Amino acid sequence: EVQLVESGGGLAQPGGSLRLSCEASGFIFSSYEMNWVRQAPGKGLEWVAYISSLSSNIYYADSVKGRFTISRDNANNSLFLQMNSLSPEDTAVYFCARERAGAGRPDWFDSWGQGTLVTVSS
Amino acid sequence: DIQMTQSPSSLSASVGDRVAITCRASQSIDNWLAWYQQKPGKPPQVLIYKTSKLESGVPPRFSGSGSGTEFTLTISSLQPDDFATYYCQHYNSNSPTFGQGTKVEVK
Repeated sequence: EVQLVESGGGLAQPGGSLRLSCEASGFIFSSYEMNWVRQAPGKGLEWVAYISSLSSNIYYADSVKGRFTISRDNANNSLFLQMNSLSPEDTAVYFCARERAGAGRPDWFDSWGQGTLVTVSS
Repeated sequence: DIQMTQSPSSLSASVGDRVAITCRASQSIDNWLAWYQQKPGKPPQVLIYKTSKLESGVPPRFSGSGSGTEFTLTISSLQPDDFATYYCQHYNSNSPTFGQGTKVEVK
């Protein structure tokens, strides 16, 4: 069974940092492209960042470019999101999402974690 | 970036109703469109990908259609489990975007 479990959320001060983790199991993690998607309270879904299976390609939403860094550790089946210079607008539930494998092009998200809440407030 | 606009933002319907949700893209996305269902406190789950392909395990009362810039998710006969929020998402580029969501509520 595919499982994605996020952790690392919590309360951060404006201008502060947090590092989110997503632990994957039930599939060959190193074969899949991964993403972070966030959802502000009561709002819709916003794609945040993408990383290819071997970390050779990385993309970010304009709203987080230069502040957030996506990375992965295939040996330990883990995905990360380093978030710096946080602002209240970054307050959201952050989901890790697996992209369907093997298409050779962008694809839909076929598995999601339960999410971890990040609150940015003084 | 490609903008995705869903309509309506919300709708009220009864069990057994036929429901249609529209998603418009600001430019052509060919057929690279997915639909997700999300219930409160849960992550989204994919229903349909590539405009009209049903994800494994999704009931056949869900269907998708369209191409280019206009797409539709149809629920042929609304069931109690279908009251939720629905999102479209394009994946035509390395910067995917979601529609703002359509909340399907009990009439």
